Amino acid sequence: QKEVEQNSGPLSVPEGAIASLNCTYSDRGSQSFFWYRQYSGKSPELIMFIYSNGDKEDGRFTAQLNKASQYVSLLIRDSQPSDSATYLCAVRPGRRALTFGSGTRLQVQP
Amino acid sequence: DVKVTQSSRYLVKRTGEKVFLECVQDMDHENMFWYRQDPGLGLRLIYFSYDVKMKEKGDIPEGYSVSREKKERFSLILESASTNQTSMYLCASRQDSNEQFFGPGTRLTVL
Repeated sequence: QKEVEQNSGPLSVPEGAIASLNCTYSDRGSQSFFWYRQYSGKSPELIMFIYSNGDKEDGRFTAQLNKASQYVSLLIRDSQPSDSATYLCAVRPGRRALTFGSGTRLQVQP
Repeated sequence: DVKVTQSSRYLVKRTGEKVFLECVQDMDHENMFWYRQDPGLGLRLIYFSYDVKMKEKGDIPEGYSVSREKKERFSLILESASTNQTSMYLCASRQDSNEQFFGPGTRLTVL
């Protein structure tokens, strides 16, 4: 079992819709959770991080964490074509380094 | 603005060559990381360093070594390049805050 699992997609949503991206992780000791966005040919850039159970909102983005279910999600409201990218979920287990999922490709159709 | 730079964007080497990938960060970060990224496999950690001259193996260290002689510089070394090391290599750095900043990446092709 991979440490961080994501559906590879592509997830296709129409412009203006809500995109929902999901991630599960295996290490119950993980304390920090991150969502990165990666455009084709570019390096990952941080969108949000979350530490506590519940929701965290930042503009059009909402991260949700459920530690009991070992589940993290990212909601993108009012999706735009410019949101089309690969979204990487990352967790930090006991060690210093992040462990990444393989990413979900999101396509926002105009 | 944090800046992480990598010595080359594209690199082509031959099997058996020794390859050096350099990474420099300008924000005095203690932690630095080397990942490789392959389609369908995501980012996999090769090595990381939490202080000068300190290093720890990541998930896939075989065939690689690292050097951190100065705080701002973290080098990845392929002692004898092989075709299965063809990949995108990403360097990252982080201080105590949780944001991990990535460099632009080096696309390495081993022929």
